Amino acid sequence: QLQLQESGPGLVKPSETLSLSCTVSGGSISSSSYYWGCIRQPPGKGLEWIASIYYRGNTYYNPSLKSRVTISADTSNNQFSLKLSSVTAADTAVYYCVRQRVVDGYDIWGQGTLVTVSS
Amino acid sequence: QSALTQPASVSGSPGQSITISCTGTSSDVGSYNLVSWYQQHPGKAPKLMIYEGSKRPSGVSNRFSGSKSGNTASLTISGLQAEDEADYYCCSYAGSSTRVFGGGTKLTVL
Repeated sequence: QLQLQESGPGLVKPSETLSLSCTVSGGSISSSSYYWGCIRQPPGKGLEWIASIYYRGNTYYNPSLKSRVTISADTSNNQFSLKLSSVTAADTAVYYCVRQRVVDGYDIWGQGTLVTVSS
Repeated sequence: QSALTQPASVSGSPGQSITISCTGTSSDVGSYNLVSWYQQHPGKAPKLMIYEGSKRPSGVSNRFSGSKSGNTASLTISGLQAEDEADYYCCSYAGSSTRVFGGGTKLTVL
């Protein structure tokens, strides 16, 4: 059973860079059938797609966050990572790592990790 | 890219059917049959319930069904059960390999 595990900082200061790591176990990130991505959810609010990556390196970003986001994949370690720069309190959220079916649907989710932006 | 519009809340009694709407535009819901639906219980990660508009992943009850008309997608839950009480989110392909979510709907089972 494939699983995703997020690893995040917990607390980030305003204007700094948030770094999130997603480890894939029980399957390969190099599968041609899936994308890998990140979705966030501010406390008490809805879901927001942030970015996705294909194992070949193709990257896709939410237009509203594109200038601050970078997603990358490390196929040798079966991981992918997200960096979000110049964070503010509005970036406080639970961040989820997800597996996305190539055509449609986020079918596997990590448990999520809360990242708080505060000085 | 604006969020899809969902009702904030819906409710129904056990055994009844409810429908949650998800309204987008001709740039997302209206142009692609790529709408997915997610169920989220408090404190838990979302769970995929419907993909490609109307397909159910293995293990999801056939009480859940999806459809689309124009710029509006819908999730119908029949034979409502207490365990269906949760938040539900729709998500649509929005072109250029991007996705947009709805604001979420809280389902209350009376």
